[in-house]
Amino acid sequence: KAGVTQTPRYLIKTRGQQVTLSCSPISGHRSVSWYQQTPGQGLQFLFEYFSETQRNKGNFPGRFSGRQFSNSRSEMNVSTLELGDSALYLCASSLGAQGASYEQYFGPGTRLTVT
Amino acid sequence: AQSVTQLDSHVSVSEGTPVLLRCNYSSSYSPSLFWYVQHPNKGLQLLLKYTSAATLVKGINGFEAEFKKSETSFHLTKPSAHMSDAAEYFCVVVGSGTYKYIFGTGTRLKVLA
Repeated sequence: KAGVTQTPRYLIKTRGQQVTLSCSPISGHRSVSWYQQTPGQGLQFLFEYFSETQRNKGNFPGRFSGRQFSNSRSEMNVSTLELGDSALYLCASSLGAQGASYEQYFGPGTRLTVT
Repeated sequence: AQSVTQLDSHVSVSEGTPVLLRCNYSSSYSPSLFWYVQHPNKGLQLLLKYTSAATLVKGINGFEAEFKKSETSFHLTKPSAHMSDAAEYFCVVVGSGTYKYIFGTGTRLKVLA
């Protein structure tokens, strides 16, 4: 079974621009979660989608948004990029929603650099 | 509220010696706990999980963890370190009620030849 895939793997953007990251979960998985990883803040939860509905959201500004499609693929969007948005963005999929003891499987991440 | 504390940010061991990575959690309910490993420039890989079955959980690559409710701990161990174990390890508690994955700050394991 193919793992979680994320595209693109690397991205360089300029302040003020917007960016869209894509995540394809493992086949059959209905939950997709997004995380931001930085050296200073560690791993921080952005949001979770389950069956096309946002089920949980972390403490990030409204510039960060996401969606999930009927095939469970998910995108996250960051508008008006700031330097502090430079990070590794990780996507994880699981069979069920978070909190149901389903383990999450992570993709390799998208490395976003904002200049 | 749930939380997780990884007691060491860095651990160094010699190859062939035991590994101990410490994790304490706080949870009002019986928690679900996980350990993940992240090798450089890679995503996270699940090592093992505890979900209120056996208190000693065996994972991949020879790792295991013991759930100790009285100590609110879920330490990760391995009898003999290998060079390929050098990576960052994350302890995770699932927040009851919020149902969110709560990550520890990570422990970077260095294995010396």
